[in-house]
Amino acid sequence: GEDVEQSLFLSVREGDSSVINCTYTDSSSTYLYWYKQEPGAGLQLLTYIFSNMDMKQDQRLTVLLNKKDKHLSLRIADTQTGDSAIYFCAASGTYKYIFGTGTRLKVLA
Amino acid sequence: DTAVSQTPKYLVTQMGNDKSIKCEQNLGHDTMYWYKQDSKKFLKIMFSYNNKELIINETVPNRFSPKSPDKAHLNLHINSLELGDSAVYFCASSRTTGVGETQYFGPGTRLLVL
Repeated sequence: GEDVEQSLFLSVREGDSSVINCTYTDSSSTYLYWYKQEPGAGLQLLTYIFSNMDMKQDQRLTVLLNKKDKHLSLRIADTQTGDSAIYFCAASGTYKYIFGTGTRLKVLA
Repeated sequence: DTAVSQTPKYLVTQMGNDKSIKCEQNLGHDTMYWYKQDSKKFLKIMFSYNNKELIINETVPNRFSPKSPDKAHLNLHINSLELGDSAVYFCASSRTTGVGETQYFGPGTRLLVL
């Protein structure tokens, strides 16, 4: 069935770049999303990419998509302590999203 | 101003009780969803409604019954609560069911069953 996988943890130093990776199985996913969840809060949409693109940049965020390998990444430049959160990737399927397991990003001061 | 709102934010109850969680969106969207996030933060869809009609029911126990009185509301009623129902429940909405429609999430309802 459809599956989306992420590594569970990532720790970086403030000011460094963070790269969060995601792999998915459903090749028909036309949109792929990144959501951020801060402690005790809901999911906030960060960015998304259409499957016919291979890169999208939005301020400090860069999304890279390798459709052949079904691999998605989110790069956060100049990571700040406020970026500490869980980051979920999601692949769009028929009527629904398939979410990854979430990557817990910890930013060290 | 809140786009997707849920009540209550926290719910603590005893096993065997029946409880409801309410969701409202003021975005004019046609489609609404319920997701369950377990203690490991895994997020799974439970139900989806489009224009008050059920379109997704993901093998959820029939103790869970969603109800959509109108397009802007999707409530979740849970009968005979069990310990395993403890989780965070998120409501979401999207403009339509079309592929690629962005989903907007509510703040979550934290349910603890004792």
